[in-house]
Amino acid sequence: EPEVTQTPSHQVTQMGQEVILRCVPISNHLYFYWYRQILGQKVEFLVSFYNNEISEKSEIFDDQFSVERPDGSNFTLKIRSTKLEDSAMYFCASTKREGWGNEQFFGPGTRLTVL
Amino acid sequence: DAKTTQPNSMESNEEEPVHLPCNHSTISGTDYIHWYRQLPSQGPEYVIHGLTSNVNNRMASLAIAEDRKSSTLILHRATLRDAAVYYCILRDNNYGQNFVFGPGTRLSVLP
Repeated sequence: EPEVTQTPSHQVTQMGQEVILRCVPISNHLYFYWYRQILGQKVEFLVSFYNNEISEKSEIFDDQFSVERPDGSNFTLKIRSTKLEDSAMYFCASTKREGWGNEQFFGPGTRLTVL
Repeated sequence: DAKTTQPNSMESNEEEPVHLPCNHSTISGTDYIHWYRQLPSQGPEYVIHGLTSNVNNRMASLAIAEDRKSSTLILHRATLRDAAVYYCILRDNNYGQNFVFGPGTRLSVLP
């Protein structure tokens, strides 16, 4: 069964450093998402991406964040200058087509630790 | 924010049915009701979704009230692997197609 994959599983970085989190969505999916979950808290939407541009973004997704689909398979989330409060699990998700009735497939997540 | 209300936690015995309730009194006519779950240390996982009619799949059943102001996720025979946080999610108009997760219901399954 096809699945969303994410690398690395755990990333440790120093405050102020740039990090890139990588995702490979399911191959025939067209819509891509990033969510984050701070330890012990709820899952929060960050951004959605379709047709090589951002469709929606939340207040969390400020100028420090960017997303890119550099080739036909990868979908990346970049944090330019990490802060301690960026420490969280980051989940990538994808869906085949638009429409609220369609399920999103989530990856296993990347745990980001900012020291 | 999510427009659903769920109990914080529930407990079930293994191999017994589990009914997880969700209230969504402000649901609009075109809102789908989605259920996801999150097993420990994993990403959210799709369980089931519906609009008006009750739905069944291999994982669960979804019973939707006639006025659509509430729904119930039914696990017919709980297993230890079903211990997870279960999220009932509606569309959030602020974010278009994107999910807004609430705190969910933490289901514990006792052997």
